Amino acid sequence: EVHLVESGGDLVQPGRSLRLSCAASGFSFDDYAMHWVRQAPGKGLEWISTVNWNSGFTAYADSVKGRFTISRDNAKNSVFLQMKSLRPEDTAIYYCAKDVHYGSGSFIDFWGHGTLVTVSS
Amino acid sequence: DIQMTQSPSSLSATVGDRVTITCQASQDIRQYLNWYQQKPGEAPKPLIFDALNLQTGVPPRFSGGGSETEFTLTINGLQPEDIATYYCQQYYILPLSFGGGTKVEIK
Repeated sequence: EVHLVESGGDLVQPGRSLRLSCAASGFSFDDYAMHWVRQAPGKGLEWISTVNWNSGFTAYADSVKGRFTISRDNAKNSVFLQMKSLRPEDTAIYYCAKDVHYGSGSFIDFWGHGTLVTVSS
Repeated sequence: DIQMTQSPSSLSATVGDRVTITCQASQDIRQYLNWYQQKPGEAPKPLIFDALNLQTGVPPRFSGGGSETEFTLTINGLQPEDIATYYCQQYYILPLSFGGGTKVEIK
């Protein structure tokens, strides 16, 4: 059974950094692209970032480009999101998600339960 | 960037009704369109991929259709457990983009 477990969400002040982690199990992790998708309180889904199977390709939404960095460690079945220069508008539940393919992103067939990031002074 | 517009933003229907949600893309995305269901307090779940293919385990009362810029999600015979917000998502080109969501409620 596929499991995606996010961690690292916290209350942080504007301008600070935070690192989210996602531990994956139940599938061959290094065969699939992984995503981070966020959802602000009461709002819709927003794609944030994608990393392909071997970290050879990454992509970011304009809203986080230059501030967030996605990475993965296939030996540890984990994907990460390093967030810098956090803003109040980054407040959201952050979901780790698995793609059905290895490449640049297509269909997400599994989602984690999410971790809450709150940016406030 | 491709903009995805869903309509309506919310709807209220009776159990057993046929419900249709529309998703419009700002440009031709062929059939690179997926649908997700999100129940209150839960993570999204996959529903339909490539415009019309049901994800494993999804009840057959759900169906998808469309191509290019116009897509539909239909629930044939709305059930109480279908109360959720539904999102479309394109993957024709990056950035991946979601529609704003359609909240489905029971009358």
